[in-house]
Amino acid sequence: DIQLTQSPSFLSASVRDRVTITCRASQGISSYLAWYQQKPGKAPKVLIYAASTLQSGVPSRFSGSGSGTEFTLTISSLQPEDFATYYCQQLNSYPRTFGQGTKVEIK
Amino acid sequence: QVQLVQSGSELKKPGASVKVSCTASGYTFTRHALNWVRQAPGQGPEWMGGINTNTGKPTYAQAFTGRFVFSLDTSVTTAYLEISSLEAEDTAVYYCARDQPPYYYYGMDVWGQGTTVTVSS
Repeated sequence: DIQLTQSPSFLSASVRDRVTITCRASQGISSYLAWYQQKPGKAPKVLIYAASTLQSGVPSRFSGSGSGTEFTLTISSLQPEDFATYYCQQLNSYPRTFGQGTKVEIK
Repeated sequence: QVQLVQSGSELKKPGASVKVSCTASGYTFTRHALNWVRQAPGQGPEWMGGINTNTGKPTYAQAFTGRFVFSLDTSVTTAYLEISSLEAEDTAVYYCARDQPPYYYYGMDVWGQGTTVTVSS
């Protein structure tokens, strides 16, 4: 199985901060990676797919990059509604594993 | 609008079975695969597997073979997850989620609201 390792696991930041989350795959997955945001008690919501394509309706302050084994999710200017947990997921092969998550909290 | 609506919370005893439903509306059911995702309390999501809604062929992650069965009733645009011989460790929220068209590698774009299954004696 492909393992995804996110860093950091926890991040404390302020409104308007630039935030970067990294996801590393245990083997190459081309660009078959999605990023999700999850708030407490809610289902995950896709933000980015194919590593760098912004999902329709998602604010442009979110961006994704990378290919192969290293990927990043960047929030250019953190907003109050962005405090949540973020997960990466690989869609290169079965099982479609998730990273362990990065919780973004208010500083 | 496109939506997936899941059945309500379940409280079961160890050893019992449970069947969770996921009813789709607002799109052509048989065009997009459905996935099942488990999220244990305080943990991240875990992909359990999926089902091809055109052929009915399921795919299971290794950890979810044996006691877990995915099925469909296309006449009512509904997918099912059945878990048998429930264990306390099966306590979790179970989500169904659609593969985003047109390609599976676009991630999962529509999710059900989640079904909480609690296993306790």
